[in-house]
Parts: sequence; structure tokens; C-alpha cells
Amino acid sequence: SQKIEQNSEALNIQEGKTATLTCNYTNYSPAYLQWYRQDPGRGPVFLLLIRENEKEKRKERLKVTFDTTLKQSLFHITASQPADSATYLCALENTDKLIFGTGTRLQVFP
Amino acid sequence: DAMVIQNPRYQVTQFGKPVTLSCSQTLNHNVMYWYQQKSSQAPKLLFHYYDKDFNNEADTPDNFQSRRPNTSFCFLDIRSPGLGDAAMYLCATSRENGGDDTQYFGPGTRLTVL
Repeated sequence: SQKIEQNSEALNIQEGKTATLTCNYTNYSPAYLQWYRQDPGRGPVFLLLIRENEKEKRKERLKVTFDTTLKQSLFHITASQPADSATYLCALENTDKLIFGTGTRLQVFP
Repeated sequence: DAMVIQNPRYQVTQFGKPVTLSCSQTLNHNVMYWYQQKSSQAPKLLFHYYDKDFNNEADTPDNFQSRRPNTSFCFLDIRSPGLGDAAMYLCATSRENGGDDTQYFGPGTRLTVL
């Protein structure tokens, strides 16, 4: 069956460190993968998109990798700040729609 | 600022009493989506409109209907809400229909069913 897996346990890291979140998928062949940030009680906000022929994408302190062989995307936040605390959702393209993962909650403490 | 607006932010209804949630956008996007998101779960696509073309997801219950009277507005009607329909309902838009298009979400409507 098709599945998107993100670590359901919260990731707790210290301010200034690099946070790495994982998105694994099975039985999908997405041409695109997106990452969104969601704060409690709010709608998701788009962060980055990466295409299947791109290995890596960067935007300021954010970096996304996409390994279609491993069926995995990694999302990195460098020099993390308490304001980065939120839930991060990955979303795969599937027949022109997005299928979202359940997200990983990131907590950055001072 | 161009944006996606949802009203109301919080809606309380009684079991079986019809309810309508609304979404409007100033982005002039072709596509509007409705998602259901329960606590600690992924947003689940219910349906979407590409312009006036309605696209229902296969597993969306008949209890959920939608209307898009014009480009700017889209409504979600829940005909007979059950306790299991309590959730956050998210409206989103995108310029085109495709996985390479960014989706812009509204703040959501939190639905409580008593």
C-alpha cells in the first residue's frame, strides 16, 4: 500500500543546532515533493519544492534533499531558532494532487 | 495582501444539523481545495475545483458537498454532521492543477460537533 512516513515523535533540539527531519515514502513515484510548515491551529505554509531530478534545494537556512532511489527526502534547518518550532509536513505529488504526511513536530529550546 | 480567508474560524454545530463553511481568495487562482485535518493527522483532501470543474476524492463521504459559485468563493457543506466530522477544515488554492504548484492555505475552520 502507499505510505508516507514522517517521524511521529517530536524532535527536540537546542538553539543553534541543525534540525534534520525525514520523509520516507513507499509505492509512490512523485515527480515533485514539497515541504510545509504548520503552526498550531493554523493552515500549512509552503516552504520548499524539489523536483525528482534535483538532488538538493536551498533557501536561506533551509535545505531539502530528495533521493528517489531511497524514496526519501531530508529537510534541514541550520542554526535553528525557537521561532522554528512548529510541525513540518512533507507532501508528495501524486496524479497532480498533493498527498501529505502527518508531519514531525520540531521543538527548538534556548 | 492577497490571501485565502476562511469563515468562521470556529464553528460549533449539533449532531445532524447542517453546516456550511466558507472560503474566499484574492489570489485569482484556478484551483480551490478542501482538506480535512484531524488532530496529529495529515491533511486529507476531500475535493477540489479546477475553475468550475468539480473533482471528488473517491473516499469522501456523500455527507460532504461543495459549491464554487465564482472564482473567489468556495463552500463546504456538511449535510448531517456526525461526531467523527469534528476536525479542522482547511481551504487551499493553487494557480494550476499540479504537484509542482504551491498551495496557499487559509487559517482553517475548527468544527466542533456536539
